[in-house]
Amino acid sequence: GAVVSQHPSRVICKSGTSVKIECRSLDFQATTMFWYRQFPKQSLMLMATSNEGSKATYEQGVEKDKFLINHASLTLSTLTVTSAHPEDSSFYICSAQTGGPNEKLFFGSGTQLSVL
Amino acid sequence: DQQVKQNSPSLSVQEGRISILNCDYTNSMFDYFLWYKKYPAEGPTFLISISSIKDKNEDGRFTVFLNKSAKHLSLHIVPSQPGDSAVYFCAARGNAGNMLTFGGGTRLMVKP
Repeated sequence: GAVVSQHPSRVICKSGTSVKIECRSLDFQATTMFWYRQFPKQSLMLMATSNEGSKATYEQGVEKDKFLINHASLTLSTLTVTSAHPEDSSFYICSAQTGGPNEKLFFGSGTQLSVL
Repeated sequence: DQQVKQNSPSLSVQEGRISILNCDYTNSMFDYFLWYKKYPAEGPTFLISISSIKDKNEDGRFTVFLNKSAKHLSLHIVPSQPGDSAVYFCAARGNAGNMLTFGGGTRLMVKP
């Protein structure tokens, strides 16, 4: 079946640094990718929708300058957490959507970000 | 190895009837389960969840049942409405962290 690779799975960084998370669709072209954040004991929160070649659409309350999303190709989207702070510590997960009439959604395995 | 499986890729139900979506898992360390709903061209939205200490959770027309001994959960929608037509994903979380494991999704079609 289709696979979405998310890297890194875990990252620890110092406050003020930037962290980039990659999401790759390994065997299909993903015209649309989604980025989510999960707080402890809560469900996923959709952060933004990323379409290849265009600017991401951010959900209300998500800072565009804080969470930079780039979808430069049909198989790769990146989320960069800029000037990370401890409150950015969270679990981030991406998903990639196939095209066509029977679109399917596949999830990455997630990235646990810890900001010290 | 798929730890969370939704064996039915699609389901068709008449409006007003009950929709039952099933999900099986293999990892006995999962302690929290969630259902998400996804419309075309939109991201998945959270629908309902259940903790492993419960066997049922109800929210309006949506009820999730958990059978831990069978490692099986199901989502019941009653009565089904055409607006419920979407893809439904179940997800499971282990007690060691926040990582979610998703099933492959079931496409529900509710016919008027």
